Amino acid sequence: DQQVKQNSPSLSVQEGRISILNCDYTNSMFDYFLWYKKYPAEGPTFLISISSIKDKNEDGRFTVFLNKSAKHLSLHIVPSQPGDSAVYFCAASIPNTGNQFYFGTGTSLTVIP
Amino acid sequence: GAVVSQHPSWVICKSGTSVKIECRSLDFQATTMFWYRQFPKQSLMLMATSNEGSKATYEQGVEKDKFLINHASLTLSTLTVTSAHPEDSSFYICSARRTVQETQYFGPGTRLLVL
Repeated sequence: DQQVKQNSPSLSVQEGRISILNCDYTNSMFDYFLWYKKYPAEGPTFLISISSIKDKNEDGRFTVFLNKSAKHLSLHIVPSQPGDSAVYFCAASIPNTGNQFYFGTGTSLTVIP
Repeated sequence: GAVVSQHPSWVICKSGTSVKIECRSLDFQATTMFWYRQFPKQSLMLMATSNEGSKATYEQGVEKDKFLINHASLTLSTLTVTSAHPEDSSFYICSARRTVQETQYFGPGTRLLVL
């Protein structure tokens, strides 16, 4: 049962424009959400996170938005750069469960120069 | 920063042999380490969670006798794929966490190919 879903397997964006990656979840117990970036044959690298007490967290070009009522989060990258081309995974965790992360299936972002 | 290494980065082995993958936290002590597996074009699937000095907790469907996990110290966890078969070919990734409040830091992954 996929509790965290990324319905868009791929996304192409022109350099300089905004990239919006979406993620939906089903478990209302999730209280901490993260985005990871992954290049082929490498481990994921942490990008940005947000706890359920916030609805927005910003770090440079990256902003994560959380809509708890809709069980939806999104990652905005602006302006997009060719080096942002990678697979992006969203992940969620439940408190006091050992912090197991539930990952989405990933969205492959291609930023076109 | 928090650096996690894995060794080897890739390995090819014959069917029936055992393969050991090491995961090390290089600049911090990891109270918990996680092992994931990723098949092509699929998500990372958690295999097991290991806490230093105790037995690993395996996810449903993961054979603990086939995937042996040892978390002998606060900086080292090993995953041994015993009697590997071609269907075990995958990308294995470990992650480590310093404290419960912190995020997980991932290793670079180990690509296993079983012939």
